[in-house]
Amino acid sequence: EVQLLESGGDLVQPGGSLRISCAASGFTFSNYAMNWVRQAPGKGLEWVATISGSGISTYNADSLRGRFTISRDNSKNTLYLQMNSLRADDTAVYYCAKTRAFRGVYDAFDIWGQGTMVTVSS
Amino acid sequence: DIQMTQSPSTLSASVGDRVTITCRASQNMSTWLAWYQQRVGKAPRLLIYKASTLETGVPSRFSGSGSGTEFTLTISSLQPDDFATYFCQQYNTYARTFGQGTKVEIK
Repeated sequence: EVQLLESGGDLVQPGGSLRISCAASGFTFSNYAMNWVRQAPGKGLEWVATISGSGISTYNADSLRGRFTISRDNSKNTLYLQMNSLRADDTAVYYCAKTRAFRGVYDAFDIWGQGTMVTVSS
Repeated sequence: DIQMTQSPSTLSASVGDRVTITCRASQNMSTWLAWYQQRVGKAPRLLIYKASTLETGVPSRFSGSGSGTEFTLTISSLQPDDFATYFCQQYNTYARTFGQGTKVEIK
């Protein structure tokens, strides 16, 4: 069964850092681009970042202004999101999602994890 | 970035109704559009990609159409499981923007 499992969400003080993870199983991880999408409480979905299957290419939301970095370890079938200089408006559920197309980057997200909650508050 | 505008924001309907949700893009994006369903407290679920292709396992009462800047999601006969929030998403550019969502409520 294809599965994504996020972890690492926590309560963090403003200005702090956090790294969240997404463990993948049931598919050949390195063949698929992966994504992070977040959802603030009661709000809509916001795309955060995408990384190609090889990890060579990354794409980030301009609004995050370089504070967040997406990466992956294909030997561990794991996706990461490093978040720095966290602010209250970064409070959200963070989902990882698999890109549908084999070795494609521009495609829909066909598999989603259950999400991990990041709360930024003093 | 391409802006995606969904309408309506909220829709009240009854079981058995035909429901249509619209998504408009701020620029031409061919058919690089997906639709997702999100039930309360759950992760989004892919329904349709490439504007009109039904994802495997999705009931045939869901359909999508459109190209360029205007797209629609139609539910031909609303079922109890379909009361949820629906999002469109463009993937024509690297910034994969979502619409703001349409909540389908019980009338």
